[in-house]
Amino acid sequence: KAGVTQTPRYLIKTRGQQVTLSCSPISGHRSVSWYQQTPGQGLQFLFEYFSETQRNKGNFPGRFSGRQFSNSRSEMNVSTLELGDSALYLCASSLETGLQPQHFGDGTRLSIL
Amino acid sequence: SQKIEQNSEALNIQEGKTATLTCNYTNYSPAYLQWYRQDPGRGPVFLLLIRENEKEKRKERLKVTFDTTLKQSLFHITASQPADSATYLCALDSSGGYQKVTFGIGTKLQVIP
Repeated sequence: KAGVTQTPRYLIKTRGQQVTLSCSPISGHRSVSWYQQTPGQGLQFLFEYFSETQRNKGNFPGRFSGRQFSNSRSEMNVSTLELGDSALYLCASSLETGLQPQHFGDGTRLSIL
Repeated sequence: SQKIEQNSEALNIQEGKTATLTCNYTNYSPAYLQWYRQDPGRGPVFLLLIRENEKEKRKERLKVTFDTTLKQSLFHITASQPADSATYLCALDSSGGYQKVTFGIGTKLQVIP
């Protein structure tokens, strides 16, 4: 069974641009969560999607948004990029929402110049 | 505000010894707690989940305890091996229903041959 796939693996952007990251969950998993990981803050929860609906949202500005498609694939968008958005963005999937272990992809490393 | 503390940024231990990692939390009443392993450049990998009504959980050389009175979880690796070297993250649910998990910053474990 294929794991969680995130594309692209690396991305370089400049301030003010926008970016879209993609996540393909494990087949059959309906919940997809997104996290931002930085050395100082660790893993910070961005949002969770379940059955194409955003179920939960972390404490991030509105520049961060996402969506989930009917096949459970998810995308995350960041608009008006700032230097502080440089981070590893991780996607995790689970069978259902709630009390479930999460399966992570290897992330997209986003660097803002 | 809710806070998770993991015992140190780095823990060095001799091969064959038992490694004990600590996760303390405040202002939480989590229903469950999870432990993950993360290797450099990779996403976290789920190891164990323990519910609030469980005192202890074991999986091969791994053991997790959960003390809701002390607000603490201990993660033990017995007969540690150099291959156990990684960063270990604890995570608590913080929404009581949806997949909104809060991670600690992690403890880096180095097992010395």
